[in-house]
Amino acid sequence: NAGVTQTPKFRVLKTGQSMTLLCAQDMNHEYMYWYRQDPGMGLRLIHYSVGEGTTAKGEVPDGYNVSRLKKQNFLLGLESAAPSQTSVYFCASSSGLANTQYFGPGTRLTVL
Amino acid sequence: KQEVTQIPAALSVPEGENLVLNCSFTDSAIYNLQWFRQDPGKGLTSLLLIQSSQREQTSGRLNASLDKSSGRSTLYIAASQPGDSATYLCAVRSTDKLIFGTGTRLQVFP
Repeated sequence: NAGVTQTPKFRVLKTGQSMTLLCAQDMNHEYMYWYRQDPGMGLRLIHYSVGEGTTAKGEVPDGYNVSRLKKQNFLLGLESAAPSQTSVYFCASSSGLANTQYFGPGTRLTVL
Repeated sequence: KQEVTQIPAALSVPEGENLVLNCSFTDSAIYNLQWFRQDPGKGLTSLLLIQSSQREQTSGRLNASLDKSSGRSTLYIAASQPGDSATYLCAVRSTDKLIFGTGTRLQVFP
């Protein structure tokens, strides 16, 4: 049981470039989430999904898009990266809204 | 808007001490509260989850309490060990979202 995995672990982008972060979970969870963590600001929810084929906006969705084509995968896309998107990105999943969230190891993204 | 505050931001204690980490939230209408541990450069690991109807949860040397009416939770760590050194985050579930505090960075020295 790998739990929640994230690809890649590190990435450096130039302003304006695009990329996709992949999150995968093998726990058959319905709910998946993308957060960003910045110093002094805690974790903030970007987008989330309550099941395959669904997505919803979180607290800081601007500049990001997501897709949940398969239950086990949740993709986070940056269409035109900006330096303000330099952060550590965490994916999480849970079996229900009221249940424990399980986190991946994170992706450290730097936008120059 | 729900806001979660953790005090202190950092704490350094000698091994063996019992310690308390604090978490406060502004809106008492919550579904549950979770405590997480985060090691440097790693993801979050869930420690305890307290439903809004519960007053406390225990796991090993950890005990978390919840006082919804006053908007407070505490995480009690008994007989601290160097391996407990990490950042501890609390998160409150309001509606469909988890709102995180900024964490308490704990260092336990031998």
